[in-house]
Amino acid sequence: QKEVEQNSGPLSVPEGAIASLNCTYSDRGSQSFFWYRQYSGKSPELIMSIYSNGDKEDGRFTAQLNKASQYVSLLIRDSQPSDSATYLCAVEGITGGGNKLTFGTGTQLKVEL
Amino acid sequence: EAGVAQSPRYKIIEKRQSVAFWCNPISGHATLYWYQQILGQGPKLLIQFQNNGVVDDSQLPKDRFSAERLKGVDSTLKIQPAKLEDSAVYLCASSGGLFTDTQYFGPGTRLTVL
Repeated sequence: QKEVEQNSGPLSVPEGAIASLNCTYSDRGSQSFFWYRQYSGKSPELIMSIYSNGDKEDGRFTAQLNKASQYVSLLIRDSQPSDSATYLCAVEGITGGGNKLTFGTGTQLKVEL
Repeated sequence: EAGVAQSPRYKIIEKRQSVAFWCNPISGHATLYWYQQILGQGPKLLIQFQNNGVVDDSQLPKDRFSAERLKGVDSTLKIQPAKLEDSAVYLCASSGGLFTDTQYFGPGTRLTVL
């Protein structure tokens, strides 16, 4: 069983629509959850972090966390072509000496004109 | 504030050769990470340093990979000998401390093993 699972996509949405990206994780003890955006050929860039159940909004982005269901999602409102990228879900687990991020394989998002 | 620096950006080698990558973290960041990202996959943590000590190297293939951070600042990751399956992007990241959550990534080194 993969520790962090995402649909690889591609997920195609028209410009202006809402893009919904999903992630499930296996470690019930995980406390911190992150969404990174990665453009082709570039390094990951943090766009959202969430630690508590519920929703967290930042501009056009909303992260949702449900620890009971071990489920994290990212909603992108008013999707723009510049949002076309791979979105990586990362889950933090505590090892003996510090935090450790486990990444999913990423979901490729394509926003079409 | 300068970001995480890595070099080289690209490297092509033959299998069984050795290669080394360098990383300089954001100034003042105590925690440094090396990740391997194979095409189509998410980054996989290879090794995590806190200052010059290793916190986690459970996924580092120690028969061929080694890493050091001697003075608690910059770090070197070495592969010797390289295999075809080592072709990947090697990402360095840093964060302010062990339990500071935001990791900042460098541009990566793309390694091709022929």
